[in-house]
Amino acid sequence: TQLLEQSPQFLSIQEGENLTVYCNSSSVFSSLQWYRQEPGEGPVLLVTVVTGGEVKKLKRLTFQFGDARKDSSLHITAAQPGDTGLYLCAGPPEGQNFVFGPGTRLSVLP
Amino acid sequence: NAGVTQTPKFRVLKTGQSMTLLCAQDMNHEYMYWYRQDPGMGLRLIHYSVGEGTTAKGEVPDGYNVSRLKKQNFLLGLESAAPSQTSVYFCASSYSFPEHTEAFFGQGTRLTVV
Repeated sequence: TQLLEQSPQFLSIQEGENLTVYCNSSSVFSSLQWYRQEPGEGPVLLVTVVTGGEVKKLKRLTFQFGDARKDSSLHITAAQPGDTGLYLCAGPPEGQNFVFGPGTRLSVLP
Repeated sequence: NAGVTQTPKFRVLKTGQSMTLLCAQDMNHEYMYWYRQDPGMGLRLIHYSVGEGTTAKGEVPDGYNVSRLKKQNFLLGLESAAPSQTSVYFCASSYSFPEHTEAFFGQGTRLTVV
């Protein structure tokens, strides 16, 4: 059983569309991070959210941490082919070690 | 800036063979990690180190050993490779525990055990 679930597992969209991917858990997390991993590369940190209800924006990407700190979402506006990659959420459930979710693989077609 | 460098990038082993994966970081980070990545499983922590001369077990340590003799290097060993160890291995380093700071990853080592 994974401590972090991500949905959808795969997503293929056209350039210019909007999308949201989700990261959910039954456990409370003290913080959550989002990473993006491109093919053949290691993950790269996009953002860390710490406070329940927190919203952070990074250009066209909007990250939200749920009020109960059990879930998070990533919304991309006007997706571009450069957004293609594997999006991973990660964090420490309270009292436990840092874990990664299985990821959402996004493909943005030109 | 090199960041985190892993060698080799690809390797094919026969069942029962041994090998060592090398990880080097030039950011003076105290914390270093070895993960494996399998389809649908995300990244799973094998072993980690919080400083030179220290190591600790992660989520999936069986079949692996590690050493941190120098602060900048973290070695992952497979004493007797098994097909279940076919995976992509990532090394990472960070200034502090990953929930408090950014972890920097290497490019990965794709290992196939036949």
